[in-house]
Amino acid sequence: NAGVTQTPKFRVLKTGQSMTLLCAQDMNHEYMYWYRQDPGMGLRLIHYSVGEGTTAKGEVPDGYNVSRLKKQNFLLGLESAAPSQTSVYFCASSFGRTSNQPQHFGDGTRLSIL
Amino acid sequence: GESVGLHLPTLSVQEGDNSIINCAYSNSASDYFIWYKQESGKGPQFIIDIRSNMDKRQGQRVTVLLNKTVKHLSLQIAATQPGDSAVYFCAEGARYNKLIFGAGTRLAVHP
Repeated sequence: NAGVTQTPKFRVLKTGQSMTLLCAQDMNHEYMYWYRQDPGMGLRLIHYSVGEGTTAKGEVPDGYNVSRLKKQNFLLGLESAAPSQTSVYFCASSFGRTSNQPQHFGDGTRLSIL
Repeated sequence: GESVGLHLPTLSVQEGDNSIINCAYSNSASDYFIWYKQESGKGPQFIIDIRSNMDKRQGQRVTVLLNKTVKHLSLQIAATQPGDSAVYFCAEGARYNKLIFGAGTRLAVHP
């Protein structure tokens, strides 16, 4: 049982390039989330999903897109990377059938945009 | 190392002492609160949670206290150990199990 796995762990991009971050969970969780974490700040929600085929915007969605084609996977895309998107990105998942359940996090993707 | 802890408030304690980390939350209607521990280079790790119908909840060496009157949450760690050194985040729950995170507090444990 690996929990939440994020790939890649590190990436350096040039401004304007695109890329996709992959999140996979093996806990059969309904809900999945993407956050970004910047120095000295807590985590800010980018997008989330309450089930396969559904996505919704979080607090800071601009410049990102997501897809949830399979229950276990949640993809975060940057279509045209900007230096302001340099950050550490975390994926999380939680049970969805009852409210107030802890989220379980991956170990992050460290992304630098030059 | 991880840069996530830069410019955060820091609590420095001696090994073996008790630690108290405080957090203020914003939404008086929130009914779920949670504490996470984040070590350098790692994702947040769940420590303990509490629902608004409780004032106190205890885990292994940790206690969370909730004061709804002043919208305050605290995490108490008993007999703090070097392995407890990390950044600690509180979060309040929202619909669809979304979490609203605080900025975090760095706990530094000195021998």
